[in-house]
Amino acid sequence: KQEVTQIPAALSVPEGENLVLNCSFTDSAIYNLQWFRQDPGKGLTSLLLIQSSQREQTSGRLNASLDKSSGRSTLYIAASQPGDSATYLCAVLSGYSTLTFGKGTMLLVSP
Amino acid sequence: SAVISQKPSRDICQRGTSLTIQCQVDSQVTMMFWYRQQPGQSLTLIATANQGSEATYESGFVIDKFPISRPNLTFSTLTVSNMSPEDSSIYLCSVEASGGVRDIQYFGAGTRLSVL
Repeated sequence: KQEVTQIPAALSVPEGENLVLNCSFTDSAIYNLQWFRQDPGKGLTSLLLIQSSQREQTSGRLNASLDKSSGRSTLYIAASQPGDSATYLCAVLSGYSTLTFGKGTMLLVSP
Repeated sequence: SAVISQKPSRDICQRGTSLTIQCQVDSQVTMMFWYRQQPGQSLTLIATANQGSEATYESGFVIDKFPISRPNLTFSTLTVSNMSPEDSSIYLCSVEASGGVRDIQYFGAGTRLSVL
């Protein structure tokens, strides 16, 4: 059974800092890995999707890497802003369209 | 991409009653998914709903408790039956926009349910 762990559970940083969120998964037989952002009352927003054959994806200030063999992914946020405050979820797709989520990292960026 | 509308956005219900949550997508999709997010926990898949067939439930979830309808390719409902306080959660609908190809999943805003 796939299990996804996210570290840290919570993170508080001052504006402008670069930061790294970590995600690990137990079964490397995945199709892809997604990073989501969850804002209260707004559901989930997909940030980046990395296919199993890829090593990284970039979108603006966000960069996600994937090391499938070791079961790890990182989400790098450059020059953090207060608007980045949210819960970040990592999810892996394995089996037939089955997404397994981590519990998330709650990020607070203070001005 | 896909835009998903979920209703209601939140509700407070009495123990023993049932609530039906609606999920409307702005495009035709093959697969729709229902998730539950209990307080402080990760999202857990309840079931997968394909049009024209019965929903497929994950371990720990049963049709009598969470009946699902999927009358067409743009709409689905999830009913939480005979509710208890343990059912207090956020319920989310999602779709796989490319119709079975392993692509991005899009989520609705969720329904925040509180059971008294």
